[in-house]
Amino acid sequence: GQQLNQSPQSMFIQEGEDVSMNCTSSSIFNTWLWYKQDPGEGPVLLIALYKAGELTSNGRLTAQFGITRKDSFLNISASIPSDVGIYFCAGRREYGNKLVFGAGTILRVKS
Amino acid sequence: NAGVTQTPKFQVLKTGQSMTLQCAQDMNHEYMSWYRQDPGMGLRLIHYSVGAGITDQGEVPNGYNVSRSTTEDFPLRLLSAAPSQTSVYFCASGRGMLKNEQFFGPGTRLTVL
Repeated sequence: GQQLNQSPQSMFIQEGEDVSMNCTSSSIFNTWLWYKQDPGEGPVLLIALYKAGELTSNGRLTAQFGITRKDSFLNISASIPSDVGIYFCAGRREYGNKLVFGAGTILRVKS
Repeated sequence: NAGVTQTPKFQVLKTGQSMTLQCAQDMNHEYMSWYRQDPGMGLRLIHYSVGAGITDQGEVPNGYNVSRSTTEDFPLRLLSAAPSQTSVYFCASGRGMLKNEQFFGPGTRLTVL
């Protein structure tokens, strides 16, 4: 079953606002990945995190690997209409390649 | 590079029919995987492969078979389609053990009547 709790489930925000979403687990993860999925497309990798405490940016996006290794956060600054979509977190629990995905955060931006 | 390609884009099957979803990647990635995406449930791993000739089960493998005869191709077979297999299927590939970034194909939307 689902091992990652992603919140919020959906967001409806004003253009220009900052957005925050997070992913938590009861297990320790060695890798956190954040993906974005546009309608009718496959997920696209946004940010990859490999060390506890790591903070990485990609343009207006910033993600952090939680110090406890059980959570991760994604922030989007100054949201624009093209930010709409579904954002997924994914984590790897042990040495290997299997990823576990959160259920996703649906982002809707009001222009 | 074309990246990860999937065919077909859409498919409608009747219960009991079999079919193969195709997946290919031209990035020389060792790791390939199949996921299904259902509303509110994220992506769930069906099967994966860490290299040619090696496959293993994921979270929801029942009703699906895979094989990996080449590095490039990783087909997913539905043996006897059921309505519960109506879903969007994504294939992904990645470089291997130390770097877990996986790159996804565009998906196949399957409906089983």
